[in-house]
Amino acid sequence: RKEVEQDPGPFNVPEGATVAFNCTYSNSASQSFFWYRQDCRKEPKLLMSVYSSGNEDGRFTAQLNRASQYISLLIRDSKLSDSATYLCVSSGGYNKLIFGAGTRLAVHP
Amino acid sequence: GAVVSQHPSWVICKSGTSVKIECRSLDFQATTMFWYRQFPKQSLMLMATSNEGSKATYEQGVEKDKFLINHASLTLSTLTVTSAHPEDSSFYICSASLGQGPETQYFGPGTRLLVL
Repeated sequence: RKEVEQDPGPFNVPEGATVAFNCTYSNSASQSFFWYRQDCRKEPKLLMSVYSSGNEDGRFTAQLNRASQYISLLIRDSKLSDSATYLCVSSGGYNKLIFGAGTRLAVHP
Repeated sequence: GAVVSQHPSWVICKSGTSVKIECRSLDFQATTMFWYRQFPKQSLMLMATSNEGSKATYEQGVEKDKFLINHASLTLSTLTVTSAHPEDSSFYICSASLGQGPETQYFGPGTRLLVL
C-alpha cells in the first residue's frame, strides 16, 4: 500500500467551478502535511501547508482529519491557470517528504 | 530568495555511460539536500538524503553504488548515475533544505535524463 494515496483524476471542470481533491495517508506518525502543485515537466511548488484546524489561502482551502488520516484541498472559482497536478505530501522524520502520485486538474473555458 | 538550480536541465546519453547532475542552492546554505526521481505519471520518490561532509543516506531499494552522491559544500550536491541504462531514464529533481522544517525545502527545476 502506498504511504500517500490520491485519486489520479483527471478532473475536468469549467472555469468558475469548485473542485475538491482528497488524499489519505497510512503512517499515523506523520506530522506535517502539504499540498504542492506541479506543472507539466516542472518541479513541484508548495501550494500550502495543511493544519488540523483547516486553513485557507484565497480560493484554496485545505483540511486535515488526523483520526481518519485524510487530507483535502478545495479550490473555488477555478481559473484556467489552476490546471496542473496537485500533489498531496506528508512529512516523516528528518524533514523527508512523502509524495502522493498526484491528482490532475484540467480547467476549461 | 531560496533559489535552487540544477545542471544540466536535460541530457541524452548512451547506455553504459555515466551522467553527473549538479544541484546548487544559489542564495542560501543548505544543511541538507535531497534527491528524488519521478517516472511519468508517478509520484516523486525520494532516492537519498545528503548532508554536507557526510555520506548520503539512501532509501530502500536505491543502489548507492549506482547513484553516487557527493555533497562537497553547503551549496552543492552532485548525483552521478553510473553505467546508465534505459530504465534509468527519468526526471531527477533535487531539493535543498534550510533545516527549519519540511516547508523550507526548495526544489530545483529538475533534470530530464534519457538513456538510449
